[in-house]
Amino acid sequence: GESVGLHLPTLSVQEGDNSIINCAYSNSASDYFIWYKQESGKGPQFIIDIRSNMDKRQGQRVTVLLNKTVKHLSLQIAATQPGDSAVYFCAERPLGNRDDKIIFGKGTRLHILP
Amino acid sequence: SQTIHQWPATLVQPVGSPLSLECTVEGTSNPNLYWYRQAAGRGLQLLFYSVGIGQISSEVPQNLSASRPQDRQFILSSKKLLLSDSGFYLCAWSHPGLQFFGPGTRLTVL
Repeated sequence: GESVGLHLPTLSVQEGDNSIINCAYSNSASDYFIWYKQESGKGPQFIIDIRSNMDKRQGQRVTVLLNKTVKHLSLQIAATQPGDSAVYFCAERPLGNRDDKIIFGKGTRLHILP
Repeated sequence: SQTIHQWPATLVQPVGSPLSLECTVEGTSNPNLYWYRQAAGRGLQLLFYSVGIGQISSEVPQNLSASRPQDRQFILSSKKLLLSDSGFYLCAWSHPGLQFFGPGTRLTVL
């Protein structure tokens, strides 16, 4: 897919500030959106998900916002900590996908400044 | 609870040598299974997926193959490795819905 060959953009945030990571998705028929966190040398870890019939969902220190009008997804991390330093991937699951294939975004590297 | 294992964790192989990476899932039955490759500083590329024993779908033409000999076992193979096969290989499962990833195997082909 398009995301495979691209260098990852970087977002630098001061420790303690809020982080907002943005993602544009491509398929208006997707029914499910997911955020993953990947720390260096590890596999991606599920953070939070949201269904297409919702526009906001909150977890522990994280909030996902979905704007279907402009096909935009964002992840907000409150009071960013050093442990939040990682690459964040958004992903979408096209509706009716029996094999559960998901389409990954290009990823954003979050860098925490001391 | 479900867990997913991959081994080896790291592997250094010469060009032209064979490859076998293994992935196993515990705590679930009949999962969908996936192999991804990730180049350094890049996104995830889906290589293969399987919805059942013996059922393999290939996403991209390449030097690799996959097999699913048991319900919760997924194997990635190559007969002769190329330099371009180097990367971080990730296995994932879903049942159904979200995909959950294993710890990955770092493959370096020299």
